[in-house]
Amino acid sequence: NAGVTQTPKFQVLKTGQSMTLQCAQDMNHNSMYWYRQDPGMGLRLIYYSASEGTTDKGEVPNGYNVSRLNKREFSLRLESAAPSQTSVYFCASRQADGELFFGEGSRLTVL
Amino acid sequence: GENVEQHPSTLSVQEGDSAVIKCTYSDSASNYFPWYKQELGKRPQLIIDIRSNVGEKKDQRIAVTLNKTAKHFSLHITETQPEDSAVYFCAAGTDKLIFGTGTRLQVFP
Repeated sequence: NAGVTQTPKFQVLKTGQSMTLQCAQDMNHNSMYWYRQDPGMGLRLIYYSASEGTTDKGEVPNGYNVSRLNKREFSLRLESAAPSQTSVYFCASRQADGELFFGEGSRLTVL
Repeated sequence: GENVEQHPSTLSVQEGDSAVIKCTYSDSASNYFPWYKQELGKRPQLIIDIRSNVGEKKDQRIAVTLNKTAKHFSLHITETQPEDSAVYFCAAGTDKLIFGTGTRLQVFP
């Protein structure tokens, strides 16, 4: 039982490049989330998916797109990376109003 | 939408003292209020949570109180230990969970 798995763990991009962060959970949770964490800013919600087939914007959605591929997988795409998107990205999942379980995080640097 | 404010941003206490971290939220529809602990380089982990139908919850040295009328909730850690040193985050919401900006707690031996 791996919980929430994110890939890649580390990535360096040049400005303007695109990439997709992958996330999968094996806990049969309905809801999945993407947060970014910057020093002094806490965890800011980018997008979330309350159930398979739905996605909603969070606090900081600009520059990102998401896909809820199926119940297990929720990906985050940066179409044209900018230095301001340098951050640690956390995927998380939960069932109903239960505990939010986080992945290990993906550290992204945009040069 | 929901807005969560957390204070203080840093807190230093002597081992054995108590620590209190406070959060306020804006959306009266919020019904779930978790607290997470994050150690350096690691993922956030749940330490305690409370739902809107409960005013107080305790788990050993950790307690959380919720005042829905005033829209604030607090984390209380008693008999602090050096291993309690970490960053603590509060959050509030329903399906959409919004986090506070965190409190860096340092416990000095």
